[in-house]
Amino acid sequence: SQKIEQNSEALNIQEGKTATLTCNYTNYSPAYLQWYRQDPGRGPVFLLLIRENEKEKRKERLKVTFDTTLKQSLFHITASQPADSATYLCAPFFAYYGNNRLAFGKGNQVVVIP
Amino acid sequence: DGGITQSPKYLFRKEGQNVTLSCEQNLNHDAMYWYRQDPGQGLRLIYYSQIVNDFQKGDIAEGYSVSREKKESFPLTVTSAQKNPTAFYLCASSIILRDTQYFGPGTRLTVL
Repeated sequence: SQKIEQNSEALNIQEGKTATLTCNYTNYSPAYLQWYRQDPGRGPVFLLLIRENEKEKRKERLKVTFDTTLKQSLFHITASQPADSATYLCAPFFAYYGNNRLAFGKGNQVVVIP
Repeated sequence: DGGITQSPKYLFRKEGQNVTLSCEQNLNHDAMYWYRQDPGQGLRLIYYSQIVNDFQKGDIAEGYSVSREKKESFPLTVTSAQKNPTAFYLCASSIILRDTQYFGPGTRLTVL
């Protein structure tokens, strides 16, 4: 069965450094992959989408890469700030027969230390 | 002011009672979803609907029921058959299935 894996351990990082999160998947390669941010007690908020034919996508201090060979997406927060502290979820869409919806990873918490 | 709303934010119920969680959106989205999130856990899909008067079971539908009589509304009923209903419930919508999802603020249900 299809699996989505994000690191269960929180990433503690010093302010100003780059935080890098990993999303690994098995079997099928997704047609596209989305990243969301979730703050405690709130709903996730969409950040970025990257398609299978794109290597990299950027939005302000955020960068997402997609490597279909490694079956992996990396999410980077450059010049991290305490306000970036949150949980980040990856959500691939696997376009195989019978599947018609996004799947969500469990999320990876980031803690930015001032 | 477009968005997706859930009410109430906190809900307390006695064991054995059914309870209905509200979800409304004015984004004109066709697809709507209900997720459950437990502490330290990811999102688990309960039910989803891609069009009015149609809905599908997700991964953990047992003990839950939904209706989709209007495009804007997708209420979730947590029945007494749900063995462990205390959780954070999130509603979401998207233009169509597979598309970017927009989430509501969530309802935290506590069953006493």
